[in-house]
Amino acid sequence: NAGVTQTPKFQVLKTGQSMTLQCAQDMNHEYMSWYRQDPGMGLRLIHYSVGAGITDQGEVPNGYNVSRSTTEDFPLRLLSAAPSQTSVYFCASSYAGRGRDEKLFFGSGTQLSVL
Amino acid sequence: AQSVTQLGSHVSVSEGALVLLRCNYSSSVPPYLFWYVQYPNQGLQLLLKYTSAATLVKGINGFEAEFKKSETSFHLTKPSAHMSDAAEYFCAVSETGNTGKLIFGQGTTLQVKP
Repeated sequence: NAGVTQTPKFQVLKTGQSMTLQCAQDMNHEYMSWYRQDPGMGLRLIHYSVGAGITDQGEVPNGYNVSRSTTEDFPLRLLSAAPSQTSVYFCASSYAGRGRDEKLFFGSGTQLSVL
Repeated sequence: AQSVTQLGSHVSVSEGALVLLRCNYSSSVPPYLFWYVQYPNQGLQLLLKYTSAATLVKGINGFEAEFKKSETSFHLTKPSAHMSDAAEYFCAVSETGNTGKLIFGQGTTLQVKP
């Protein structure tokens, strides 16, 4: 059981480049989310999804796109990378609904540097 | 709007001493509250969560937290620190119970000295 898998683990981009961070979970979770972690700021929610075909913005959505075509996958796209997007990115997933194990399972993170 | 404030970005204790990590929240409705731990170069793991069933919540690794509505607090404690407790700790809140949409505090780094 792999849990939440993020790829790549490390990435260096030049300003203006685009890329996709991949996230997949094999637990049949309804909820999936993307967070970025910056020193002294904790984790901030970028986008989240409550199920296939449904996404919504979090606290810091600008410069990022998401889609959820399947339950398993929730890729995060950087449209035109900027140095301000240098961060560690975490994907997370969880069950929905009362009576179920409503805790977030996190991936191991992607460290992104934008030069 | 909901928010979380963790008092103290760094806390240092001696091994065997009491651990107290502070968390205050702001929420317009009764919240769901969580504590997560992050070990170096890893993702976050759930320590415990409050969902209104009981105000004193026990979690893994000997940690517990008490929900105090009058103080809008959810402080994390452990009676006796162990070297393996050194990590970064995050308090988080959700107004809807939707764990896919948590608001996190800034984090507190716990250092445990021998």
